[in-house]
Amino acid sequence: SAVISQKPSRDICQRGTSLTIQCQVDSQVTMMFWYRQQPGQSLTLIATANQGSEATYESGFVIDKFPISRPNLTFSTLTVSNMSPEDSSIYLCSVERADRGNTEAFFGQGTRLTVV
Amino acid sequence: KNQVEQSPQSLIILEGKNCTLQCNYTVSPFSNLRWYKQDTGRGPVSLTIMTFSENTKSNGRYTATLDADTKQSSLHITASQLSDSASYICVVSRQDTNAGKSTFGDGTTLTVKP
Repeated sequence: SAVISQKPSRDICQRGTSLTIQCQVDSQVTMMFWYRQQPGQSLTLIATANQGSEATYESGFVIDKFPISRPNLTFSTLTVSNMSPEDSSIYLCSVERADRGNTEAFFGQGTRLTVV
Repeated sequence: KNQVEQSPQSLIILEGKNCTLQCNYTVSPFSNLRWYKQDTGRGPVSLTIMTFSENTKSNGRYTATLDADTKQSSLHITASQLSDSASYICVVSRQDTNAGKSTFGDGTTLTVKP
């Protein structure tokens, strides 16, 4: 398994401001993933963060809105920029580990963001 | 299109009762199927992971089944407890992707009442 520490666990922010979410993993991993989970919905992948290169964004998500940093193999940040109420969601970071030939994803506890 | 559909959307049962959650998928080529439990306000936690050759796998009171021919999976919870109240998410991965690009179901919200 993997231990993932994510913070903050929750925040209430004013529209137009930005929030940076941090994710710390207990061991080195190649890829880290950032997800958004809107109320009542399942997880949607925002981007994949590789150490030493630009993050790869999924359709509908752009770097200007969700800049990502990956300074080393155990840490990443996601910034939600110029927030609006539509950005109110749970944001989760995730890593993958191979176990007996199967790749499995482990998640942080999530950041519950409310934009007012 | 790769899809994962879960049913029911929500379920309420009494403590001590059993229940079964369903997951149908069209993801291809299939690599593995995972069930996660997500408590309110928390990140998902893995319950089981199943590959093509596995038909059933248990994790305590949770038993997952997989029929790769019909592309169906179920999660059976035995002797439910109040702490089982959560969202249960079915996730299917393709052979040519990593876990981060898996297809997620919308989840089944289970409420266990005393």
